[in-house]
Amino acid sequence: DAKTTQPNSMESNEEEPVHLPCNHSTISGTDYIHWYRQLPSQGPEYVIHGLTSNVNNRMASLAIAEDRKSSTLILHRATLRDAAVYYCILRDKNAGGTSYGKLTFGQGTILTVHP
Amino acid sequence: SAVISQKPSRDICQRGTSLTIQCQVDSQVTMMFWYRQQPGQSLTLIATANQGSEATYESGFVIDKFPISRPNLTFSTLTVSNMSPEDSSIYLCSVPSDAGTNEKLFFGSGTQLSVL
Repeated sequence: DAKTTQPNSMESNEEEPVHLPCNHSTISGTDYIHWYRQLPSQGPEYVIHGLTSNVNNRMASLAIAEDRKSSTLILHRATLRDAAVYYCILRDKNAGGTSYGKLTFGQGTILTVHP
Repeated sequence: SAVISQKPSRDICQRGTSLTIQCQVDSQVTMMFWYRQQPGQSLTLIATANQGSEATYESGFVIDKFPISRPNLTFSTLTVSNMSPEDSSIYLCSVPSDAGTNEKLFFGSGTQLSVL
């Protein structure tokens, strides 16, 4: 899987929007951009994923640059419960067999939300 | 979404002993995955547990150290053998959402292992 680069940490205030950036300059045409987050003392949970177009779901929005070399996870109104480590991961859409479950986690971004 | 139960949630073990971690899923899945998260680090895939065949291990992980069983489509165990303090980590079980969609993985809450 191609490498991603994220800031080590970010801070936000409660009720404010948060934009978490991710650079993936070596992304290939078949790589999906996935975001997971890990709350304290829990396993990672899926947030969102996309290929080319911007995506929205109940948790967040994913904005993908036109050249796909970067993306931004947007939390529209941060809550204290959103404090977590956020991982940006590239995953080949053709991954199969034993590669199916292999997510290559980087160090992620530690998001702190202030009340 | 899949509900994944891991047991034990945490344990403290002595050097040289072994610990078996159980992972139970509320639905049948073809593949189950075991990850390790060392203190302050990110997650690393240990192996893929396949039902009816031997597990597939990632580079740096061997069957003698991390034997895996997969007796049916909802259950798997990971054993951490002959433990040393370097094995102190969180071990997580994971399953895919839907076979063939390559969409997302669900993770258990993990087993926190401390080796003295």
